[in-house]
Amino acid sequence: GQQVMQIPQYQHVQEGEDFTTYCNSSTTLSNIQWYKQRPGGHPVFLIQLVKSGEVKKQKRLTFQFGEAKKNSSLHITATQTTDVGTYFCAVRRAGSYQLTFGKGTKLSVIP
Amino acid sequence: DAGVTQSPTHLIKTRGQHVTLRCSPISGHKSVSWYQQVLGQGPQFIFQYYEKEERGRGNFPDRFSARQFPNYSSELNVNALLLGDSALYLCASSLITGTNTGELFFGEGSRLTVL
Repeated sequence: GQQVMQIPQYQHVQEGEDFTTYCNSSTTLSNIQWYKQRPGGHPVFLIQLVKSGEVKKQKRLTFQFGEAKKNSSLHITATQTTDVGTYFCAVRRAGSYQLTFGKGTKLSVIP
Repeated sequence: DAGVTQSPTHLIKTRGQHVTLRCSPISGHKSVSWYQQVLGQGPQFIFQYYEKEERGRGNFPDRFSARQFPNYSSELNVNALLLGDSALYLCASSLITGTNTGELFFGEGSRLTVL
């Protein structure tokens, strides 16, 4: 089945520092989605990337889709305590409705 | 509008018992997916239903089954519970247009503990 590697598994940053998580696939992806799960909560959709080389921004969050559509990144500028949570990428095999999640990157922000 | 609702929110069972989890999707969403999330891991795909038909099945044993009703609500059933079935069971609904399932809207989940 579709496999995605997400790194790092954990990241501890000082408030105000930047944070980046990466999602890598061995196969070409049709699109990729990113979700955030707060501690004790459920995953919440952040964004979907579809086009090769696509870059999207949401305030302090920047999402990129690689040119080969095999990798993606999420970058947070000047982290805040509200950014705490686990960030997941999710991908879909061509022709399948099934969405496969990565293992996630757990972000801790030290005030 | 109400989001995805799941019941029960918490439950405790013993090994060998059976459990039924329920999910109501967002109004207008015809697709429901079930995921299992073990502590510290990402959600693992169990089933997807669309228009009452199974459209996908993850790598789970036959003890896991599901169905979708005419009103698009869904049930997940797990038989012969094992300790390893302890997890958060998430239901997600989505709109499907062509081959694009769009974003998943998750419920709060049902936390199952098997003793």
